[in-house]
Amino acid sequence: DTGVSQDPRHKITKRGQNVTFRCDPISEHNRLYWYRQTLGQGPEFLTYFQNEAQLEKSRLLSDRFSAERPKGSFSTLEIQRTEQGDSAMYLCASSLTVAKNIQYFGAGTRLSVL
Amino acid sequence: KQEVTQIPAALSVPEGENLVLNCSFTDSAIYNLQWFRQDPGKGLTSLLLIQSSQREQTSGRLNASLDKSSGRSTLYIAASQPGDSATYLCAVYGGGSEKLVFGKGTKLTVNP
Repeated sequence: DTGVSQDPRHKITKRGQNVTFRCDPISEHNRLYWYRQTLGQGPEFLTYFQNEAQLEKSRLLSDRFSAERPKGSFSTLEIQRTEQGDSAMYLCASSLTVAKNIQYFGAGTRLSVL
Repeated sequence: KQEVTQIPAALSVPEGENLVLNCSFTDSAIYNLQWFRQDPGKGLTSLLLIQSSQREQTSGRLNASLDKSSGRSTLYIAASQPGDSATYLCAVYGGGSEKLVFGKGTKLTVNP
């Protein structure tokens, strides 16, 4: 499978715990994006990387959120001290800069904070 | 700030009907517009991408049009089938940012 892969698919955690999600983009895609989607809403942009550089961050990305893409391949999104309002679907997408920026999305990680 | 609106929020039609989903955006300075499909609890599947210089794109029973000057796009689905039931999302790209800006989607139900 050469699509965007996200792990885990589902995560249930208690308020106050830290969680980390992983995204593996399509091989050789230099851009990687994180979005968050809550029930009944469209996805909202969180941040994106070009290779290993984090080039844009949304105001939605509070101090409790951190994202990395250390070697320009896979990326991790960590949420510290989770709150119930963090419950959402976290979507990862990747693209090639030169390919009309068509973004290909993974299946997402659904986070439930109890 | 770019805002994307999709109308209607939900639509229920009998099988076989042709239908139109609407998308509007406030800032016409876009590079492209994408239509996605999302099944419940799943990720997004790209259906069609229209570059800002294009007027429409077609894939099978789907046809998407773009009127950049008026800030509107439509997704036309011909001869709808129960398998078309899903949420359809419109997203625009451009305007100085690398992010996609999404609408809230139209939830389509096609009844057998």
